[in-house]
Amino acid sequence: NAGVTQTPKFRILKIGQSMTLQCTQDMNHNYMYWYRQDPGMGLKLIYYSVGAGITDKGEVPNGYNVSRSTTEDFPLRLELAAPSQTSVYFCASRHGDREANGYTFGSGTRLTVV
Amino acid sequence: GQQLNQSPQSMFIQEGEDVSMNCTSSSIFNTWLWYKQEPGEGPVLLIALYKAGELTSNGRLTAQFGITRKDSFLNISASIPSDVGIYFCAGRGTGGYQKVTFGTGTKLQVIP
Repeated sequence: NAGVTQTPKFRILKIGQSMTLQCTQDMNHNYMYWYRQDPGMGLKLIYYSVGAGITDKGEVPNGYNVSRSTTEDFPLRLELAAPSQTSVYFCASRHGDREANGYTFGSGTRLTVV
Repeated sequence: GQQLNQSPQSMFIQEGEDVSMNCTSSSIFNTWLWYKQEPGEGPVLLIALYKAGELTSNGRLTAQFGITRKDSFLNISASIPSDVGIYFCAGRGTGGYQKVTFGTGTKLQVIP
C-alpha cells in the first residue's frame, strides 16, 4: 500500500550509541518531516525538507541530523544517543504546502535509550 | 514559543453522546488543524480551518476557528466506539508555513 514506511518499529539503544531511523514514501511528496512525541505531549518538529537536497531545522533539532538525497527517503540520524531522546518518532510527508493536503504519517518508531 | 493548551486531557463518554473539546493558544494562529491518532499509528488529519469564524464539518465531526484566532473547537456528534483515540489540535502561526505547533491531545474513550 502507498504511504510512509518507517523502520524499525522499536529499538533500544545504549547511551552514546548511534542509529539511523529510516523513512520512505512512495507518493512523490515533496515535503517530508520528522517529529518526536513524548508521553502526554504533542508532536514536536525535529527537521523538515521541502525537496531533495534541501533540509532545515525544526523546533528541537539538537542531537539529530537528516539528509534528503532522493524524493523518497528522509533518514534521521542520532549520533550519540542520550536518555532525553527516548521518544516515539514519526516521519510524515505532504504534497505541496497546503495543510488541507494533510500530512501522511508513518506508524512511528519507538526508541528507548538506556 | 507558541503554546497550545488542549482540554480536556481525557474523557470517558457513553456511546451515542456528543463530545466537545477545545484548544487555546497564547498567540494568534492563521490555520487550525485537527488530527486523530489511534494506538500504534501516526495522526490522521480530520479537518483544516483557514479563516476566523469558519465552521467546517467532516461527517459527524464539526470544527470551528475561533473569532479571536486564539482558539478552536471540535465537536463529535453521536459518538461510536471507533471514535476512540487521541485528538490533537495543531496550529500554524506567524513563524513561517512550516512551523506547526501541536497541542497535548485529548484522549477519548467511548463506553459501549
